[in-house]
Amino acid sequence: GENVEQHPSTLSVQEGDSAVIKCTYSDSASNYFPWYKQELGKRPQLIIDIRSNVGEKKDQRIAVTLNKTAKHFSLHITETQPEDSAVYFCAVNNFGNEKLTFGTGTRLTIIP
Amino acid sequence: DSGVTQTPKHLITATGQRVTLRCSPRSGDLSVYWYQQSLDQGLQFLIQYYNGEERAKGNILERFSAQQFPDLHSELNLSSLELGDSALYFCASSVSGRGSTDTQYFGPGTRLTVL
Repeated sequence: GENVEQHPSTLSVQEGDSAVIKCTYSDSASNYFPWYKQELGKRPQLIIDIRSNVGEKKDQRIAVTLNKTAKHFSLHITETQPEDSAVYFCAVNNFGNEKLTFGTGTRLTIIP
Repeated sequence: DSGVTQTPKHLITATGQRVTLRCSPRSGDLSVYWYQQSLDQGLQFLIQYYNGEERAKGNILERFSAQQFPDLHSELNLSSLELGDSALYFCASSVSGRGSTDTQYFGPGTRLTVL
């Protein structure tokens, strides 16, 4: 089955700086890569996703880049704000199999 | 608000008991997924239903079962509960479940505490 590794497990950045979280996956047939943000005790919320026909996608301060050759994708948050503090999960899907395999999560803390 | 609803919000019960968690998908969504999230853990996929039929199975224990009804709501049944079953249980839904790459939208979760 799909194996997803996510790094780092914790990340602290100064407010205003950028944060980068990286995920690697094992199945070269994977073609859908969402990122979810989860605040304490709340539901995971989709913040951005990318499909394998695109290399990069941006939505305001959030961007995701995909390198299918190396089988990794990254979440970039610029100009971080205190409300960005949360746990971020990457996930990988696979065409024909609707199962989402999640990474182990990154706890992001924004230091004011 | 994702449009996915789950009840109850909290559930406290004793070991050996049986509980039922309920999920209503977003309007128009045919697939329902169940996930378990233990304390400080990631999301573990349990099972998926598509239009009333089981579509995919993950790390679901034999003591757990699920079903999706004709109105597309789903129930997750947990029996012979153990302390280790204490977790947040999330339901998610998507438009289809047939070889697509639909976005999954998560409900608010049910927090189960087994004493």
